[in-house]
Amino acid sequence: GDSVTQMEGPVTLSEEAFLTINCTYTATGYPSLFWYVQYPGEGLQLLLKATKADDKGSNKGFEATYRKETTSFHLEKGSVQVSDSAVYFCALSGGGADGLTFGKGTHLIIQP
Amino acid sequence: DGGITQSPKYLFRKEGQNVTLSCEQNLNHDAMYWYRQDPGQGLRLIYYSQIVNDFQKGDIAEGYSVSREKKESFPLTVTSAQKNPTAFYLCASSIPDITNEKLFFGSGTQLSVL
Repeated sequence: GDSVTQMEGPVTLSEEAFLTINCTYTATGYPSLFWYVQYPGEGLQLLLKATKADDKGSNKGFEATYRKETTSFHLEKGSVQVSDSAVYFCALSGGGADGLTFGKGTHLIIQP
Repeated sequence: DGGITQSPKYLFRKEGQNVTLSCEQNLNHDAMYWYRQDPGQGLRLIYYSQIVNDFQKGDIAEGYSVSREKKESFPLTVTSAQKNPTAFYLCASSIPDITNEKLFFGSGTQLSVL
């Protein structure tokens, strides 16, 4: 079945540091790929998405490129802020009726 | 504003008790989902529904039940058969084909056992 693997956290960085959160996937066919963000005590919000190979999703300074050859969708940001502290989930959609397959989440902590 | 409302925010269950978590959406979405979130485990699918009066088991349906009598509502009952119910429960909705669309999430219910 489909699966998503993310780097384990917590990831602790200083403000203005460069961020990479790795995500790789296993799926049949050509899934769509997503990054969601969860702030404490809240539900998940879509951060960005990519629906086909070589697409780049971007939002709020975050970027991720759909790499079919390496089955990856790594999340990057050039300069993180304290307000970016949250849990980040990589997810894929294989087009089935059962929604998305999520990774286990990566807790990001940004220190001032 | 359109969105998904989950209630209550916090819920406590006694041993042997059934409890029901509410999920209401006014987004006119056909599809609704229930996920369970445990620390370090990510989100696991409990039940999903693509249309009124129809629902399917997800990966961890044992000890849970749902109903979908109205398009707007998808309540989840945690039964006494669920031996480890303490978790954060998230409800979500979407249009049926989410290949190119996003899930909309509620703000969650934290269930704890007394």
